[in-house]
Amino acid sequence: GAGVSQTPSNKVTEKGKYVELRCDPISGHTALYWYRQSLGQGPEFLIYFQGTGAADDSGLPNDRFFAVRPEGSVSTLKIQRTERGDSAVYLCASSLKGGDNEQFFGPGTRLTVL
Amino acid sequence: RKEVEQDPGPFNVPEGATVAFNCTYSNSASQSFFWYRQDCRKEPKLLMSVYSSGNEDGRFTAQLNRASQYISLLIRDSKLSDSATYLCVVRRPGFKTIFGAGTRLFVKA
Repeated sequence: GAGVSQTPSNKVTEKGKYVELRCDPISGHTALYWYRQSLGQGPEFLIYFQGTGAADDSGLPNDRFFAVRPEGSVSTLKIQRTERGDSAVYLCASSLKGGDNEQFFGPGTRLTVL
Repeated sequence: RKEVEQDPGPFNVPEGATVAFNCTYSNSASQSFFWYRQDCRKEPKLLMSVYSSGNEDGRFTAQLNRASQYISLLIRDSKLSDSATYLCVVRRPGFKTIFGAGTRLFVKA
């Protein structure tokens, strides 16, 4: 079956612009995670959704970052007033129910802020 | 200090070698533990979960010592295809999952 998909695969934007990153989880997976990965580092937790609600958003670095999952499937990570330090690979993962269920990652969106 | 710390890499080993990776975590309330593998410019994939009793999957053995807050991964009879970054992962109570920075492994012919 289809895995987790993310669009776009690459996004180049200018400092100060707004960007939206999309994640399509595996069908039937209720849990969805967003991570950010910088070069040479492991993925950094941003936010976790169980269904439509954000169960844990403690990893969002500041109020420029926001994520939604209105119908409990597709999720969008939104970044306002982008800064050069936001440049990273943004990874989305889904799992059947969360907890200890295996997380299946998408290929990521590489965001470059000029 | 990072919540999950791993051996700095890279590890360069010949085919057939046995290699061990270590990981420590600082949050004693951590509930679950995993090793993920990440190939260059690819997404992470689950390698195995880690249990206190230790668990083995083919050439891979994982161990957890809760008292020492230490996790290990042993790879026996290394293959060229084992070359990757190995990520130590810890789940806190609730949902937050913390990844280590990863240890790079290069297996050479």
